[in-house]
Amino acid sequence: AQSVTQPDIHITVSEGASLELRCNYSYGATPYLFWYVQSPGQGLQLLLKYFSGDTLVQGIKGFEAEFKRSQSSFNLRKPSVHWSDAAEYFCAVGDDMRFGAGTRLTVKP
Amino acid sequence: GAVVSQHPSRVICKSGTSVKIECRSLDFQATTMFWYRQFPKKSLMLMATSNEGSKATYEQGVEKDKFLINHASLTLSTLTVTSAHPEDSSFYICSAREMGRPYNEQFFGPGTRLTVL
Repeated sequence: AQSVTQPDIHITVSEGASLELRCNYSYGATPYLFWYVQSPGQGLQLLLKYFSGDTLVQGIKGFEAEFKRSQSSFNLRKPSVHWSDAAEYFCAVGDDMRFGAGTRLTVKP
Repeated sequence: GAVVSQHPSRVICKSGTSVKIECRSLDFQATTMFWYRQFPKKSLMLMATSNEGSKATYEQGVEKDKFLINHASLTLSTLTVTSAHPEDSSFYICSAREMGRPYNEQFFGPGTRLTVL
C-alpha cells in the first residue's frame, strides 16, 4: 500500500539555523513527490515537487529537497531558516496525493 | 495562474442543518477535483475524488449520503454536509487538477472552516 511517513511531529530551530524535515514513502514505482506548507488557518502552498530527472529539486522560499530512491526519502532542506518559515509542513506522494502527518516547525528568535 | 477558491472561508451552523461549500478553479479547467478534511493539528484526509459529469468516488469510511459532492462543471465542485453535527466541525480543503497538465499536480483552495453548534 502507498504511504508516506513524516517521523518528526514537531521541530524547533533557531532563526538562521539550517533545517531538514524528513519524509519517507512506500510506493510501488518512482512516485510523484511534493512538499507543501500550511500557515495557521490557511490552505496549502506548494513548495516544490519531484516527478523525474534531477533528484535535487529547488523550490520557492529557498527550500530544496532531494529524492533518494535507495532510502525511499524526499527530505526538505533550507540552509537558513527565517521566523516566517514557522508553519506546518506536509509531504505528499502519488497520483492521489497521500499526505504525511505533517511536521510543525517552530522558529526561535 | 492555477488559482482555486473556496466559499465560504468559514461557516457556523446549527446542528441538523445542511451546509454547502463551493470550490472553484478560477483560471483553468479542472477535470478532477478532490475534497479533503483536516482535523486540528492533523494531516489532510482525502474524502473523495470527483470528476466532472460523473459521480464522486468516496474513500473508505466516508459517508456519501452525509457528504454530497457535485462536480457539475469544469470549474466548480460543491461539497454539501447534510444534517451537520458537531463532529462534522473541521477544516475542509478542496483541490483541483488542471485538464491537460502533466504529472497530476493539484492546486489547493484556501480551505473552509466549518463549525457546527
